[in-house]
Amino acid sequence: QVTLKESGPVLVKPTETLTLTCTVSGFSLSNAKMGVSWIRQPPGKALEWLAHIFSNDEKSYSTSLKSRLTISKDTSKSRVVLTMTNMDPVDTATYYCARINDDTSGYAFDIWGQGTMVTVSS
Amino acid sequence: QSALTQPRSVSGSPGQSVTISCTGTSSDVGGYNYVSWYQQHPGKAPKLMIYDVSKRPSGVPDRFSGSKSGNTASLTISGLQAEDEADYYCCSYAGRYTSVFGGGTKLTVL
Repeated sequence: QVTLKESGPVLVKPTETLTLTCTVSGFSLSNAKMGVSWIRQPPGKALEWLAHIFSNDEKSYSTSLKSRLTISKDTSKSRVVLTMTNMDPVDTATYYCARINDDTSGYAFDIWGQGTMVTVSS
Repeated sequence: QSALTQPRSVSGSPGQSVTISCTGTSSDVGGYNYVSWYQQHPGKAPKLMIYDVSKRPSGVPDRFSGSKSGNTASLTISGLQAEDEADYYCCSYAGRYTSVFGGGTKLTVL
């Protein structure tokens, strides 16, 4: 069974750096057909794609947030990590990680984590 | 990477069909056949319903179909059922391994 699970702080202060971890199971981050993205959703608002990492470690970022984001992976631990610097209350959102599986579902997010809610407040 | 444009809401009665549009540009929707659609019930994670414009993942009912013309993609749900009431989001590949989502559409089953 393929699963992704997000973990990280529930509350961060403005200007702090957020670090989120996505732990995957049921597939390998070294699989050439697989990749993992981070996507967020502010309360009552739309989904926003943030960043993606491929099996070959190639990375891509949202243009508007690129300066604040870093995505990385530890294949041996089946983890994908997202850091976002200089957090602001507008960054309050549920953060999801999701898989792209080019083998079965093209360039789409076929499996999602349950999401983790992050609140930015002093 | 401007968000794709979706209607804020659509509605239909059980058994009817509804279509949700998703308008982008030649740099995203119109430039690639990588449009996907997601269904999201309140408090839940999104679920993939359509990928590569018109393909259905295993387990998704064939009442759900997708298409694209130019810079606009569409999701059609036929034979509406109560459980289809949810938010729907389109997403497109936007080049250089980036993605962009739509603003979301709330579907109400009357």
